[in-house]
Amino acid sequence: KAGVTQTPRYLIKTRGQQVTLSCSPISGHRSVSWYQQTPGQGLQFLFEYFSETQRNKGNFPGRFSGRQFSNSRSEMNVSTLELGDSALYLCASSSLAPRGETQYFGPGTRLLVL
Amino acid sequence: DQQVKQNSPSLSVQEGRISILNCDYTNSMFDYFLWYKKYPAEGPTFLISISSIKDKNEDGRFTVFLNKSAKHLSLHIVPSQPGDSAVYFCAASAGSGGGADGLTFGKGTHLIIQP
Repeated sequence: KAGVTQTPRYLIKTRGQQVTLSCSPISGHRSVSWYQQTPGQGLQFLFEYFSETQRNKGNFPGRFSGRQFSNSRSEMNVSTLELGDSALYLCASSSLAPRGETQYFGPGTRLLVL
Repeated sequence: DQQVKQNSPSLSVQEGRISILNCDYTNSMFDYFLWYKKYPAEGPTFLISISSIKDKNEDGRFTVFLNKSAKHLSLHIVPSQPGDSAVYFCAASAGSGGGADGLTFGKGTHLIIQP
């Protein structure tokens, strides 16, 4: 079974721009969660989608948004980029309700904001 | 405010010896704890978990200990092997049975196994 894939793997943007990251979950998985990893804050939960609906959201500003399509693929968007948005963005998929043991993470998209 | 703290950014251990990774938490509502392992250029993978009704959970070379009164958990790896070199994240959740929506992560500890 193919794993979670994320595109692009690396991205460089400048302040004020917007960016869209993509995540394809494991086939058959309907839940997709997004996380931000930075050296200062570690891994932080952004939001979780299930069957095209956002079920849970972490403590991030409205500049961070996401969506999920009918095939369970998910995108996250960050508008008006700030230097502090430079991070590794990880996507994880689960078959049903996400559980820590059964979340499968992708390799991440490394975003650098200049 | 960091609710899950891994105070050692890195730890170096000789191959064959015991590796002990520590994690402290402040939220008394946390009732489920997990450890993840992360290699460079890969996403984290689940390693082992423990519910607050237990004080120990073992899986092969990996054992997690939970001290609820001290709000402290530790991961023991015995014996340590070169392939264990990775970043280890401690995570906790409150009332969601380990549900990913409630996971709070620590900043990670980079474990280096010396040959």
